[in-house]
Amino acid sequence: QVQLQESGPGLVKPSETLPLTCTVSGGSIISYYWSWIRQPPGKGLEWIGYIYYTGRTTYNPSLESRVTILVDTSKNQFSLKLTSVTAADTAVYYCARVRPDSGLGAFDIWGQGTMVTVSS
Amino acid sequence: DIVMTQSPDSLGVSLGERATINCKSSQSVLYSSNNKNYLAWYQQKPGQPPKLLIYWASTRESGVPDRFSGSGSETDFTLTISSLQAEDVAVYYCQQYDSTPFTFGPGTKVDIK
Repeated sequence: QVQLQESGPGLVKPSETLPLTCTVSGGSIISYYWSWIRQPPGKGLEWIGYIYYTGRTTYNPSLESRVTILVDTSKNQFSLKLTSVTAADTAVYYCARVRPDSGLGAFDIWGQGTMVTVSS
Repeated sequence: DIVMTQSPDSLGVSLGERATINCKSSQSVLYSSNNKNYLAWYQQKPGQPPKLLIYWASTRESGVPDRFSGSGSETDFTLTISSLQAEDVAVYYCQQYDSTPFTFGPGTKVDIK
C-alpha cells in the first residue's frame, strides 16, 4: 500500500531555509494531490499547502510568502521549502495524501512525521 | 479563514460507554451544489500521525470500526464513539476543507474514566 516518508534536517538555524522531502512508495504520485501539515509540540495541526502532480499549488496565506512546494514525478517525491525560519516554525512536519473523491482536503495517508527544531 | 472550535477540551468516558465530541465552524462548510459538508474527523494517538476516520462529515473511512460515526451539517458537527474501547484513547480533531486555508479544530482529548 501507499506509504509516505519525510526526510530532512532535524535542526535548522534561525533565518535559514527549512528543506523537507516526502517520498511516496507503493504507488504513484501521479493523479493525486499532496499536502504538508505541521504540528508544533503539544499543539494542534496547521495546513501548510498542497500540490497537484502537475505542479499546481495552493498555500496557506499565513505562510505563503515563505513557502514553496514542488513535485518531482520522476522520483515520486514532493518537497517543502520554508524560508526565514524562526522558533515559531519548530514543529513536527507531516506530508499527507489528499483522499481522492473527498473534495481536495481530507487527508487519508500520512507520513510518520519529522521533528524540525529551529535553534542556533 | 474558517475557525473551527471543539467541545469539550477533554472527555473521560467509561469503557463501553458513549463518547460525543462537538465541532463548530465559523461559517457553513456545506456546498450547496452537491449537498456535501466538507468536514473530516481524525484520531491522533501519542507519537503517531493523525488517522482519517470520517470525511464528508459522515462517511466512514475504509477500515474504521463502525462504532465511530459522524453527523451534522452546515456549522455544527458531532463525532460519536458508540462504545468506547481502550484503543480509542486519543486526541480527536475536526477539519474543514470547504475553503483554503484548510483549518483544524484545537482537538478533544478522550481518555478512560
